[in-house]
Amino acid sequence: EIVMTQTPLSSPVTLGQPASISCRSSQSLVHSDGNTYLNWLHQRPGQPPRLLIYKISNRFSGVPDRFSGSGAGTDFTLKISRVEAEDVGIYYCIQATQFPWTFGQGTKVEIK
Amino acid sequence: EVQLVESGGGLVKPGGSLRLSCAASGFTFSNAWMSWVRQAPGKGLEWVGRIQSKIDGGTIDYAAPVKGRFTISRDDSENTLYLQMNSLRSEDTAVYYCARENDWNYVNWGQGTLVTVSS
Repeated sequence: EIVMTQTPLSSPVTLGQPASISCRSSQSLVHSDGNTYLNWLHQRPGQPPRLLIYKISNRFSGVPDRFSGSGAGTDFTLKISRVEAEDVGIYYCIQATQFPWTFGQGTKVEIK
Repeated sequence: EVQLVESGGGLVKPGGSLRLSCAASGFTFSNAWMSWVRQAPGKGLEWVGRIQSKIDGGTIDYAAPVKGRFTISRDDSENTLYLQMNSLRSEDTAVYYCARENDWNYVNWGQGTLVTVSS
């Protein structure tokens, strides 16, 4: 199965400042249909995860435009342009190109 | 509005059994591919298993750590997903989420139900 590795595992950020999370896969996430099924989830404390970004860079319904995703092949990045208090929590990358879908370890974003 | 509501969690002794339910509403459950994902205390997300819709074949797949001990099923007439867990171990202690798949995403998640395996 594909192994997903996130860095950093913890990211203290100042409100209003940017944040960036990297996710690397053990093999290419380009599907035979040409799509790359790399998604990002956000889990606030005590809450279930929710879909944030799908297919590398598409924001899910209701996700603010301060969130953006980029990357290709095996290397991907989630960026928050200006961190707000509600952005704290754990961010997970997840690949859905190859079954079983696999998660990164999670990156904890907290306010300094 | 899509809703997924898990129930059935609790405290169980090692070697015991538990059956979790996930009641679904707000979408056509019979067409949905559904998964169980768990999260051990303070840990990350771990896929447990998935069931396809019957119309797509109804295939059920399991993660290696639970294969042979856990069984996923569905009742489309009741819009409910199940997870039967047998021979429970301490390492199965986790919050168990049901999630709806759509277009290669987990688009909806339940609130989760806590399973604690301890003597």
